[in-house]
Amino acid sequence: AQKVTQAQTEISVVEKEDVTLDCVYETRDTTYYLFWYKQPPSGELVFLIRRNSFDEQNEISGRYSWNFQKSTSSFNFTITASQVVDSAVYFCALRGAGNNRKLIWGLGTSLAVNP
Amino acid sequence: EADIYQTPRYLVIGTGKKITLECSQTMGHDKMYWYQQDPGMELHLIHYSYGVNSTEKGDLSSESTVSRIRTEHFPLTLESARPSHTSQYLCASGQGTEAFFGQGTRLTVV
Repeated sequence: AQKVTQAQTEISVVEKEDVTLDCVYETRDTTYYLFWYKQPPSGELVFLIRRNSFDEQNEISGRYSWNFQKSTSSFNFTITASQVVDSAVYFCALRGAGNNRKLIWGLGTSLAVNP
Repeated sequence: EADIYQTPRYLVIGTGKKITLECSQTMGHDKMYWYQQDPGMELHLIHYSYGVNSTEKGDLSSESTVSRIRTEHFPLTLESARPSHTSQYLCASGQGTEAFFGQGTRLTVV
């Protein structure tokens, strides 16, 4: 069975603080993909990153960084120097290989960045 | 239970044809979205609407167009389909941060 756990339901920080959103996954597949999406208050889903299971390199994109650790089945997301515009719900998702596999979503972490 | 419907579920069509993918919701939601998803890959927002007569392009450039003449209806049109348009198209509607997805249309252009 596949599962994605985002243990943090809500996080509240003050602007300029660094914040890490946790994502732990379960899968028996040897090939799989992990994703992060942002859902701002306006409602649309914004794709942030895809990582495949064979690529454990950490990724940095501006103030965003991702730490993929297969040994702990985690794919954590860090926002450095958070800004009010980062306030959103962030979803982690998992998909196994193969064309007919469904996307398995975490329940999301609601991040509030306060001025 | 969410009431958002997409038709057709599957479509195979020849290059150059005009197609319209239908999306309807009965929840009275103002916001509606179209996403494109290649198999196993991420969702990309291609169009969204915040209400009647409001349409915007998403973060992924798309040759498709949309219209929102009625609250419940948000069709997506490709004037001239090409093999590069082969993908899954997902429609969603929502209020606030809650979103409901349709079952998707899997489009294959041959």
